Amino acid sequence: GAGVSQSPSNKVTEKGKDVELRCDPISGHTALYWYRQSLGQGLEFLIYFQGNSAPDKSGLPSDRFSAERTGGSVSTLTIQRTQQEDSAVYLCASSLESGRGSTQYFGPGTRLTVL
Amino acid sequence: AQSVTQLDSQVPVFEEAPVELRCNYSSSVSVYLFWYVQYPNQGLQLLLKYLSGSTLVKGINGFEAEFNKSQTSFHLRKPSVHISDTAEYFCAVMAGANNLFFGTGTRLTVIP
Repeated sequence: GAGVSQSPSNKVTEKGKDVELRCDPISGHTALYWYRQSLGQGLEFLIYFQGNSAPDKSGLPSDRFSAERTGGSVSTLTIQRTQQEDSAVYLCASSLESGRGSTQYFGPGTRLTVL
Repeated sequence: AQSVTQLDSQVPVFEEAPVELRCNYSSSVSVYLFWYVQYPNQGLQLLLKYLSGSTLVKGINGFEAEFNKSQTSFHLRKPSVHISDTAEYFCAVMAGANNLFFGTGTRLTVIP
């Protein structure tokens, strides 16, 4: 498809387990973003990738969270030793370029539930 | 630092009535402003954005917003709403950095 895709759409895990969430950005988009949407916190920025530059990790809530982007395309967000407060919808977005008001196109999200 | 305030968490409005969803922001630098909509069980979709130029911005589905620098506001308006406009609306700013700062959202419910 032409849009941002994310997998899985839903993930239920037990506290303490590790999870990996995947994002496929729109082809040709150089910038990729991860956000988290939760009831208590609204929409929060997590991490941002632009081309081959070092990612902006300023939004990651703890060192249990990490992300990588391979080959400038697909990205994986990893949460280690999940906690119940990690339950949220994780949204990925991509844009043609970074900054300057570029429109970010969002995927449908992955709903993570930590039991 | 940037912040976005959406004062109304819920806005009920009758079908075909006008609606205004309020958004105020704070930033020490110039900003770009966005409104996104999230329909039930769907992802975020861009409604409109302000980058520069005319302060009145028109978007999809008949929505428009006006950038007011002196009041640091970017309110969203529609002259006549439809049932299909029922959704959650998010105001966001981009200032300097590349990521978006979102407001907490306004749930618009259109009543038949």
